[in-house]
Amino acid sequence: AQSVTQLGSHVSVSEGALVLLRCNYSSSVPPYLFWYVQYPNQGLQLLLKYTTGATLVKGINGFEAEFKKSETSFHLTKPSAHMSDAAEYFCAVTRTGGGNKLTFGTGTQLKVEL
Amino acid sequence: DGGITQSPKYLFRKEGQNVTLSCEQNLNHDAMYWYRQDPGQGLRLIYYSQIVNDFQKGDIAEGYSVSREKKESFPLTVTSAQKNPTAFYLCASSKMNMNTEAFFGQGTRLTVV
Repeated sequence: AQSVTQLGSHVSVSEGALVLLRCNYSSSVPPYLFWYVQYPNQGLQLLLKYTTGATLVKGINGFEAEFKKSETSFHLTKPSAHMSDAAEYFCAVTRTGGGNKLTFGTGTQLKVEL
Repeated sequence: DGGITQSPKYLFRKEGQNVTLSCEQNLNHDAMYWYRQDPGQGLRLIYYSQIVNDFQKGDIAEGYSVSREKKESFPLTVTSAQKNPTAFYLCASSKMNMNTEAFFGQGTRLTVV
């Protein structure tokens, strides 16, 4: 069964610093991978996704992620953090069986400090 | 604007009562989903539906029921059999293709007292 592991439930960075949120997946078949962002008491918004093709994926708000099959990783990065990036971030993998059932990681809460 | 609408945003119920959470989408998506979110546990799949009048259990279906009488609507009932119903509930929809993203509603926070 597909699964994802997010290392670090809380990450704190200074404004302007590099953001790195880690995600490793476990899948017996080539996965479709997603990063979502959630602001307090709101739904999830897609940041970016990897399906096929280019392994470096660019998303909204300056985020990007690189699919590394050899490391089974899909880490999310942003060169320079902004205060508005403070939120919870979820990595997810599509499950087999049709449709878009997702298996989510446990989330990483990003704090951005002045 | 196309999207998913969940209502109400906040819901309070007494223990032992059934409660129904509404989810409507106008994205013309075939698939719809219900997830439960608890702190530190991510999102867990409760039920999903890929076509009208058909739905399947997810990972934590016990104590919940759903219906899919219309393509646009996928209401979730939290029954009195659900032992710990207080949580944040998220509805989502998507096309059937596995490589497309799911779109989420704004969620309903259910508190059972």
